[in-house]
Amino acid sequence: GAVVSQHPSWVICKSGTSVKIECRSLDFQATTMFWYRQFPKQSLMLMATSNEGSKATYEQGVEKDKFLINHASLTLSTLTVTSAHPEDSSFYICSAKQRPSNQPQHFGDGTRLSIL
Amino acid sequence: AQKVTQAQTEISVVEKEDVTLDCVYETRDTTYYLFWYKQPPSGELVFLIRRNSFDEQNEISGRYSWNFQKSTSSFNFTITASQVVDSAVYFCALSEFGTGANNLFFGTGTRLTVIP
Repeated sequence: GAVVSQHPSWVICKSGTSVKIECRSLDFQATTMFWYRQFPKQSLMLMATSNEGSKATYEQGVEKDKFLINHASLTLSTLTVTSAHPEDSSFYICSAKQRPSNQPQHFGDGTRLSIL
Repeated sequence: AQKVTQAQTEISVVEKEDVTLDCVYETRDTTYYLFWYKQPPSGELVFLIRRNSFDEQNEISGRYSWNFQKSTSSFNFTITASQVVDSAVYFCALSEFGTGANNLFFGTGTRLTVIP
C-alpha cells in the first residue's frame, strides 16, 4: 500500500521549454503533496507543499512563477518547470501523505531533469 | 531551529558485517517524529521507520534496528549482517508536531557501500 507514482522518470529537453512532472498516489487519497529537489550527492530540499484544492506554499527562495504546482485532485499533483534552463537540471521527487497528519510521507521514484 | 546531522558521509563495509548509521537531531518542539529513508541507486526514497518522540523503545525489524536516545538527541540505525542490496544512501529526517508533522527536515545522508 501507499504507492506514489511519478512520471516521467527521466526527461531531457532544450533550454527554454517547459516541463511537466506528474505525481500520483495510486492507492490512497493524498491530502498533502510535497515537491523536493535533490542535487547530486546532496540531501533533499523541500520546494513546496500543496494541499488539494488550494494554492501551494513555497519555501523561501523557490520561485513560484518558475515552478508551478497544481494539486487539482486527491490523487494528482503536477510540477511544471517553466522556461527551463540548465541550472534547473536536477532530481525532482514528490511525496504524498494522507490523513491523519501523523502519517509518513511516501515518495515517488523521482524525475531526473536535464536541460541542454 | 530544527536540524538533522548525519556525520558519516560514506561508509564501506564487507558483506555480513554489522554497521551503524548515526543521526543526531535538534528541535525546539517537545513533540516530533523521526524517520529513516533509504535511497537506492535507482533514486526512489523508501520509507523505513517512523518514531514519535514519546516512544523511546528501540525497534527491530529483521536485520534492521533503531536506537532512539532522547537524552543525546540521537536516532541511530543498525544493519546486522549487511548485504550487497543494502548499498544505498540512507537519510534520517525530522518533522515537528508544530508544523502539523508536514515539513520533513532531512540530514545530508550517509552513503553505505556493502562490498561482497
